Amino acid sequence: GENVEQHPSTLSVQEGDSAVIKCTYSDSASNYFPWYKQELGKGPQLIIDIRSNVGEKKDQRIAVTLNKTAKHFSLHITETQPEDSAVYFCAAITADSWGKLQFGAGTQVVVTP
Amino acid sequence: NAGVTQTPKFRILKIGQSMTLQCTQDMNHNYMYWYRQDPGMGLKLIYYSVGAGITDKGEVPNGYNVSRSTTEDFPLRLELAAPSQTSVYFCASSYSSGGSEAFFGQGTRLTVV
Repeated sequence: GENVEQHPSTLSVQEGDSAVIKCTYSDSASNYFPWYKQELGKGPQLIIDIRSNVGEKKDQRIAVTLNKTAKHFSLHITETQPEDSAVYFCAAITADSWGKLQFGAGTQVVVTP
Repeated sequence: NAGVTQTPKFRILKIGQSMTLQCTQDMNHNYMYWYRQDPGMGLKLIYYSVGAGITDKGEVPNGYNVSRSTTEDFPLRLELAAPSQTSVYFCASSYSSGGSEAFFGQGTRLTVV
């Protein structure tokens, strides 16, 4: 089955700097890669996603890149703000998996003013 | 819209007790999922359902059971609670299986003592 690894496990950045989180996946049949943000005491919430036929996607200060050959994808947050502090999860889905998300272990991001 | 609603938010169980975690969604989604979240481990799939009357095991189903009698409701049953079931439980739903946003509830924090 699919295995998703995520690094780093914690990331501390100064407000205004950029943050990058990297994930690798094992199943070449994976075709959908969402990123979720989880704030303290809440459920994960989708912030951006990318499909396997696209190399990069951007939404304001966040962007995701996908390298299918190397089987890795990354989340980039620019001009970080204190409200970006949260746990971020990457995930992968294969076409025949009934939408079951295989999650990475998560990255705790702390943005210090 | 309420989205995905989970009850209760918190619960303490004694070893050997049983309980049902409730999950309901008002988005008419066919696909529903139960995940557990342990510290530093990401989210692991317990059970999932692709429609009313259809359920299947996920990655960590032992000690749990589910039913799906309606599109809206997907309760998770714990029989004979064990300390290893101390975790945060999330219910989620999605519109399709091919890669669409999964909506998560707020979670149930369960402690087994």
